[in-house]
Amino acid sequence: GAVVSQHPSWVICKSGTSVKIECRSLDFQATTMFWYRQFPKQSLMLMATSNEGSKATYEQGVEKDKFLINHASLTLSTLTVTSAHPEDSSFYICSATKAFFGQGTRLTVV
Amino acid sequence: SQQGEEDPQALSIQEGENATMNCSYKTSINNLQWYRQNSGRGLVHLILIRSNEREKHSGRLRVTLDTSKKSSSLLITASRAADTASYFCATGPMAGGTSYGKLTFGQGTILTVHP
Repeated sequence: GAVVSQHPSWVICKSGTSVKIECRSLDFQATTMFWYRQFPKQSLMLMATSNEGSKATYEQGVEKDKFLINHASLTLSTLTVTSAHPEDSSFYICSATKAFFGQGTRLTVV
Repeated sequence: SQQGEEDPQALSIQEGENATMNCSYKTSINNLQWYRQNSGRGLVHLILIRSNEREKHSGRLRVTLDTSKKSSSLLITASRAADTASYFCATGPMAGGTSYGKLTFGQGTILTVHP
């Protein structure tokens, strides 16, 4: 089946720094990718829809200036958490076109 | 926004028993999917059932869908300790195009299977 690779699988960063998470479709082109966030012991919530070559569409309550999404090619979308704070610590996971999911990234902000 | 609700929130059973998890949703859907998530890790896609289907099987899994009640159930038969995980239902929207793959997840059921 289609493979989506997400990197890194985990990251620890200091408060105030930025972190970039990559989501790649390895064997297919993905014009659309989706970014989800999961807080501990909670379900997954859609953050934004990433569209190749155009601006991302953010869900209500998600700060677009804090969570920068770039989808410059048909195989790569990136999510940058800017000026990260401890409350941004979460599990971030991407999916590409027909709900193929990456492995997820556990972000811990200290 | 979350539209799926699952029950039970937690289920604890013995190996060999069957586990049934239920999911309800609010809006019209194109399909409903079930996923498994081992503690703190990625999602494993289990099964997809389309809105025009009523029941689907895959190995020890049986999924039903009742669109009139906006509900679905996942049955795992002859459970194993390795089935211990969180299980989520997720609904796909009616609209096609780029929204295909945009999922709304239920709250999840934590299943513990004791050996």
